Amino acid sequence: GENVEQHPSTLSVQEGDSAVIKCTYSDSASNYFPWYKQELGKRPQLIIDIRSNVGEKKDQRIAVTLNKTAKHFSLHITETQPEDSAVYFCAASKDNAGNMLTFGGGTRLMVKP
Amino acid sequence: DAGVIQSPRHEVTEMGQEVTLRCKPISGHNSLFWYRQTMMRGLELLIYFNNNVPIDDSGMPEDRFSAKMPNASFSTLKIQPSEPRDSAVYFCASSLAANTEAFFGQGTRLTVV
Repeated sequence: GENVEQHPSTLSVQEGDSAVIKCTYSDSASNYFPWYKQELGKRPQLIIDIRSNVGEKKDQRIAVTLNKTAKHFSLHITETQPEDSAVYFCAASKDNAGNMLTFGGGTRLMVKP
Repeated sequence: DAGVIQSPRHEVTEMGQEVTLRCKPISGHNSLFWYRQTMMRGLELLIYFNNNVPIDDSGMPEDRFSAKMPNASFSTLKIQPSEPRDSAVYFCASSLAANTEAFFGQGTRLTVV
């Protein structure tokens, strides 16, 4: 089955700096890669996703890049703000697995004011 | 739509007791997922239903766990008998179709003492 590795497990940045979280996956058939943000005590919520026919996607301060050859994808947050502090999860799935997301282990991002 | 609704939000029970967690997916969504979240193991997929039919239950830890989806608007996850190691946050999520956003409920925090 799919295996998703996520690094780093914790990341501390100064407000205004950029943050990068990286994930690798094992199943070359995976073609959907969402990122979820989970604030303390809350539910995971989708912040951005990318499909295998696209190499990069951007939404305001958030961008995701995908390298299918290397089987890795990354989340980039620019101009970080204290409210970006949360746990971020990457995930992967493929068409013939319905929407069975395999999650990475999560990254705890702390943005220091 | 109120989103995915889970009940109860918190459950404290004694070891050996039966526990039933409930989920109402978003109307019109045909996929439903049960996840378990712990610090040690992260987000684990327990079982996945498509059109009320269990598709993959390979993540169910053992026979003490069972899940049902009697209709498109209701699912249960039952643990019988419960053990302290079952303590976790259990999330239910639903999605409209394959490889689309999974919407999570608020979760049920289960504590088995």
